[in-house]
Amino acid sequence: NAGVTQTPKFQVLKTGQSMTLQCAQDMNHNSMYWYRQDPGMGLRLIYYSASEGTTDKGEVPNGYNVSRLNKREFSLRLESAAPSQTSVYFCASSDPTGGGQPQHFGDGTRLSIL
Amino acid sequence: GEDVEQSLFLSVREGDSSVINCTYTDSSSTYLYWYKQEPGAGLQLLTYIFSNMDMKQDQRLTVLLNKKDKHLSLRIADTQTGDSAIYFCAERRSGGYQKVTFGTGTKLQVIP
Repeated sequence: NAGVTQTPKFQVLKTGQSMTLQCAQDMNHNSMYWYRQDPGMGLRLIYYSASEGTTDKGEVPNGYNVSRLNKREFSLRLESAAPSQTSVYFCASSDPTGGGQPQHFGDGTRLSIL
Repeated sequence: GEDVEQSLFLSVREGDSSVINCTYTDSSSTYLYWYKQEPGAGLQLLTYIFSNMDMKQDQRLTVLLNKKDKHLSLRIADTQTGDSAIYFCAERRSGGYQKVTFGTGTKLQVIP
């Protein structure tokens, strides 16, 4: 009963390096999300995927790309990392019943850009 | 403004009630949520309330909604040390699933 699994849990990058954050859910959910969490701020949506093959920009998409590889997996890519992207990144999923809000979160990836 | 506002910190004694407050911004918000985040973990959806409700109770949790003042509160009865966490309120604004806006979080400290 894994829920939402994110890898890696921690990562340090140098400015300009690229990296992909991985996320997988085993609950057969259609919707998946990527958020970032910064000190003193609420979670901000980076990208959203309503179903396999579809993605939409959220509030802060600049500098990121996403891939919804299949129903289970939703990856987030930083093509050229910048110090402003230092943050904790959370992947989440939801099913369409209930309020349509993100329901299940991974434990996060703590990313530092030097 | 665009912000969902919460106080930063609340400290209560074990066994007392905790009340965490939130002010949201969009009068057309359809759903309002409370999430809990324990250290080193992701958010956990605790409860939500439809905007046409005034109150929702779920075991030790009571959610009160004042639509006129755009004020949401979460009351935790008989607060336990395991309730120590950061609590986020969030509103779902018109525009679809992705339009969920989170507050900055209230850190609840429970003193034994």
